[in-house]
Amino acid sequence: NAGVMQNPRHLVRRRGQEARLRCSPMKGHSHVYWYRQLPEEGLKFMVYLQKENIIDESGMPKERFSAEFPKEGPSILRIQQVVRGDSAAYFCASSPTGDVTQYFGPGTRLLVL
Amino acid sequence: QKEVEQDPGPLSVPEGAIVSLNCTYSNSAFQYFMWYRQYSRKGPELLMYTYSSGNKEDGRFTAQVDKSSKYISLFIRDSQPSDSATYLCAMEDNFNKFYFGSGTKLNVKP
Repeated sequence: NAGVMQNPRHLVRRRGQEARLRCSPMKGHSHVYWYRQLPEEGLKFMVYLQKENIIDESGMPKERFSAEFPKEGPSILRIQQVVRGDSAAYFCASSPTGDVTQYFGPGTRLLVL
Repeated sequence: QKEVEQDPGPLSVPEGAIVSLNCTYSNSAFQYFMWYRQYSRKGPELLMYTYSSGNKEDGRFTAQVDKSSKYISLFIRDSQPSDSATYLCAMEDNFNKFYFGSGTKLNVKP
């Protein structure tokens, strides 16, 4: 059973461009969480999704950020008009039932020039 | 005030030592308490979790929760160089939302 997959692993964008981060959960998992991690800091919750539903997006900035988890395909975290402050590692985690047993992907490291 | 506070370290110990890692929290609604290990440039890996107060042991690892003091601990016995990593505590608020500490960097010297 493949683990949580994220791609790309590294992404470089210039200010003002769009960043699209993808997360394929473990097989059979229908719950996905996205987190942001800045250097020397812990994980900050961004959004919690189930298939086709956003359950909690309270940790996600209201502007420029959006997330989806369609019925088919990976979960996508989209950042429009990126700024330097968006540079961070973005992790997704999947869970079979939304409980505490979350499995994390390897992360996408976004660098905004 | 942060929801979860964790000393960033770094903590450096000799191989074989007992390691104590700690977190404090402010939200009395937290019920699940987790410990993750994160190696450099990797995603976090769940080590163990505890529900409510009490102790839980798994091999060389013991997790303790003291809800009255809002304090949790992870003990590592007979520490090994392979235990060198950043350890993150995390808590869940009964609404499937998770709060992480900033992590403690541990270095176990051979």
